[in-house]
Amino acid sequence: GQSLEQPSEVTAVEGAIVQINCTYQTSGFYGLSWYQQHDGGAPTFLSYNGLDGLEETGRFSSFLSRSDSYGYLLLQELQMKDSASYFCAVPTGNQFYFGTGTSLTVIP
Amino acid sequence: SAVISQKPSRDICQRGTSLTIQCQVDSQVTMMFWYRQQPGQSLTLIATANQGSEATYESGFVIDKFPISRPNLTFSTLTVSNMSPEDSSIYLCSVSRGAEQYFGPGTRLTVT
Repeated sequence: GQSLEQPSEVTAVEGAIVQINCTYQTSGFYGLSWYQQHDGGAPTFLSYNGLDGLEETGRFSSFLSRSDSYGYLLLQELQMKDSASYFCAVPTGNQFYFGTGTSLTVIP
Repeated sequence: SAVISQKPSRDICQRGTSLTIQCQVDSQVTMMFWYRQQPGQSLTLIATANQGSEATYESGFVIDKFPISRPNLTFSTLTVSNMSPEDSSIYLCSVSRGAEQYFGPGTRLTVT
């Protein structure tokens, strides 16, 4: 089966940097995606790593290490609006499987 | 990208009844996905719906409980049958564009 583990909760200060980790055990691994979900909203796509290394998109960066079965999402210059749940996900063939999710709270 | 709508947005149902959720996409897609998200939890894939064939169900989900229709390339329905309070959840449909998934706004179901 598929297993993607994340810390359940993270709290960080506005303006700071926070890293959300994801360790995975999957079959047929193609890459790692990240999604953001605000309370009451649908998940929205943030980033995808098909290759090892760092991908940067504005304040958000994502990293993948296939040899370690590990990735992370890095959020810089945190804003209050970044308070949300974050999920890593893997596409495997025609299906997508989601991690356990991390609830990020940004405090003033 | 893809724009997805779902109906109803929410419903309160009595146990033992059934509810059908509709999902409409603004463009043709081969596969549509149905997820369940229980309060405070992650997304769990229920099934993948292909047009013109039977849906593929994930472990723990069966067709008798969650029948799915896929009559064309832009539309799908998920029925939650013989509901119990444990079925209270948010149900989301989605489509993929390469490595990206796009989600509908979800249907919030409460079973009393």
